[in-house]
Amino acid sequence: RKEVEQDPGPFNVPEGATVAFNCTYSNSASQSFFWYRQDCRKEPKLLMSVYSSGNEDGRFTAQLNRASQYISLLIRDSKLSDSATYLCAVRGTYKYIFGTGTRLKVLA
Amino acid sequence: NAGVTQTPKFQVLKTGQSMTLQCAQDMNHEYMSWYRQDPGMGLRLIHYSVGAGITDQGEVPNGYNVSRSTTEDFPLRLLSAAPSQTSVYFCASSYSSPNEQFFGPGTRLTVL
Repeated sequence: RKEVEQDPGPFNVPEGATVAFNCTYSNSASQSFFWYRQDCRKEPKLLMSVYSSGNEDGRFTAQLNRASQYISLLIRDSKLSDSATYLCAVRGTYKYIFGTGTRLKVLA
Repeated sequence: NAGVTQTPKFQVLKTGQSMTLQCAQDMNHEYMSWYRQDPGMGLRLIHYSVGAGITDQGEVPNGYNVSRSTTEDFPLRLLSAAPSQTSVYFCASSYSSPNEQFFGPGTRLTVL
């Protein structure tokens, strides 16, 4: 079993839709959690960190469920510009482990 | 602030050749790491370093060496290139506490 797992998608959604991604992790000692966005042929860039109490940044909401060992990302009112691959990342003591990424395509 | 820089951007090697991928950061980050990204496999950790003089292996270290003689630089050496090492390589850095990583633009390597 992979340490961090994501549904690879692709998720094809119309503009304005709400879409949610989940990411499960196997190491219960994991300390920090992140969502990254990666555009085609570019480097990953941080979208948001994920805090225990959940956090929101505009149209994006991230949540952590330590009991079930998953993190989630909710995107409301999807825009064409949201089309990208979304990677979850989990950090233990020293290592960051990334999921394989979920592809999102927002359709006009 | 240049952030994380990587050279070269593209490289083609023949099987058996060796080369070094360069990575440098100017943010005084203690933590640096190398990943490879292959289709359907996501980012896989090759090696990482928590400070100058300290390195450790990640998920897929075989065929790669690293060293960290300064805080700024973290080169990745391919000892004897193989076609299985064809990939996109990303270097990343962060502060040692669990903070976000900043990625370089990547090196696209093809081994023939």
